Amino acid sequence: KAGVTQTPRYLIKTRGQQVTLSCSPISGHRSVSWYQQTPGQGLQFLFEYFSETQRNKGNFPGRFSGRQFSNSRSEMNVSTLELGDSALYLCASSSGLAGNEQYFGPGTRLTVT
Amino acid sequence: QQQVKQSPQSLIVQKGGIPIINCAYENTAFDYFPWYQQFPGKGPALLIAIRPDVSEKKEGRFTISFNKSAKQFSLHIMDSQPGDSATYFCAARGGTSYGKLTFGQGTILTVHP
Repeated sequence: KAGVTQTPRYLIKTRGQQVTLSCSPISGHRSVSWYQQTPGQGLQFLFEYFSETQRNKGNFPGRFSGRQFSNSRSEMNVSTLELGDSALYLCASSSGLAGNEQYFGPGTRLTVT
Repeated sequence: QQQVKQSPQSLIVQKGGIPIINCAYENTAFDYFPWYQQFPGKGPALLIAIRPDVSEKKEGRFTISFNKSAKQFSLHIMDSQPGDSATYFCAARGGTSYGKLTFGQGTILTVHP
């Protein structure tokens, strides 16, 4: 099976702009979780989508949003970008069932200038 | 109560040594404890995971020890190799938080030849 794919891999944006990141899960997986990774805060959970519904949400401001499509692909959007949003954004794919394992994609490196 | 505390922050061993990384948690609802390995520029890769009904699990050179009463778990890497040099993260998940992993801060492991 192909692994988790994320596009784009690298992105440079300016403060105040918005950005959309995409994640394609492993075939057959119905859950996609998003994480932000920074040197200072480590890996922090943003939200999880399962069968097109947000099932869990982390402690991030409303500027961070996401959605999931019927084919399980997911997008996350960040509006009004701030310098502090510079990070590696990772998505993780799983079956979505209890006891399931999560597999991460390579991430999208977002730089806000 | 959602925190997972990981130590040490960094670790240097010689080839063949047995590095040990420790994690502690507070939330008794956690019931799944994975370890991830991350190389620079890559997403975290699932190494091994354990559930609280067992005290030890081995997969190849990697062993998890779990102490439910102390709410601690640790990763041992037997016969460590320079190729094991990476950042290691422990994580925890529980209850209905199927897609939400809470991560430790990470340990940078360096294995000298």
